[in-house]
Amino acid sequence: GAVVSQHPSRVICKSGTSVKIECRSLDFQATTMFWYRQFPKQSLMLMATSNEGSKATYEQGVEKDKFLINHASLTLSTLTVTSAHPEDSSFYICSAVSGGVYEQFFGPGTRLTVL
Amino acid sequence: TQLLEQSPQFLSIQEGENLTVYCNSSSVFSSLQWYRQEPGEGPVLLVTVVTGGEVKKLKRLTFQFGDARKDSSLHITAAQPGDTGLYLCTGTASKLTFGTGTRLQVTL
Repeated sequence: GAVVSQHPSRVICKSGTSVKIECRSLDFQATTMFWYRQFPKQSLMLMATSNEGSKATYEQGVEKDKFLINHASLTLSTLTVTSAHPEDSSFYICSAVSGGVYEQFFGPGTRLTVL
Repeated sequence: TQLLEQSPQFLSIQEGENLTVYCNSSSVFSSLQWYRQEPGEGPVLLVTVVTGGEVKKLKRLTFQFGDARKDSSLHITAAQPGDTGLYLCTGTASKLTFGTGTRLQVTL
């Protein structure tokens, strides 16, 4: 089956620093990747849609200058949380799309804690 | 993004019981997926339904897509503790749509 990895799985950083999260599709090419944020005991909240070679499309209320997304290749998308603050602490999950029926394959998630 | 309403939001049952989770919207979907997510992990795809009225079975799980492709249900027979998790439905309409989630807890 399709495998998506995320790195790092956990990160703790100081307020004001930037953190980069990588999302890789390991055994397939993903023209589209999605970035989600999840708060405890809640569903996934879509942050942005990342298409290879083009600018990401951000959902309403998501600051594009705060959450920088780069999709440089068909197997890699990165999310950079810039000038992180404690309220950015969350579980960030990526997914990649393969196939015509829009099945998403999710990464294992990254737990970000901003001190 | 439009919202898929899932019900119930939370369900706590004992091992061996049956349950049904519902996923409803006013939009028509070209396809709909069900996922299960365990704490601290990413969601795992369970099934994709495409055709109105379609029924798919995955061991003790039965998935149905509504005739009008606006809703879906997930029925679990003889629930086990390993079924515990967050169940999410997502669908493709004009944009990807996400369910509000159903948190299932199965106890011994």
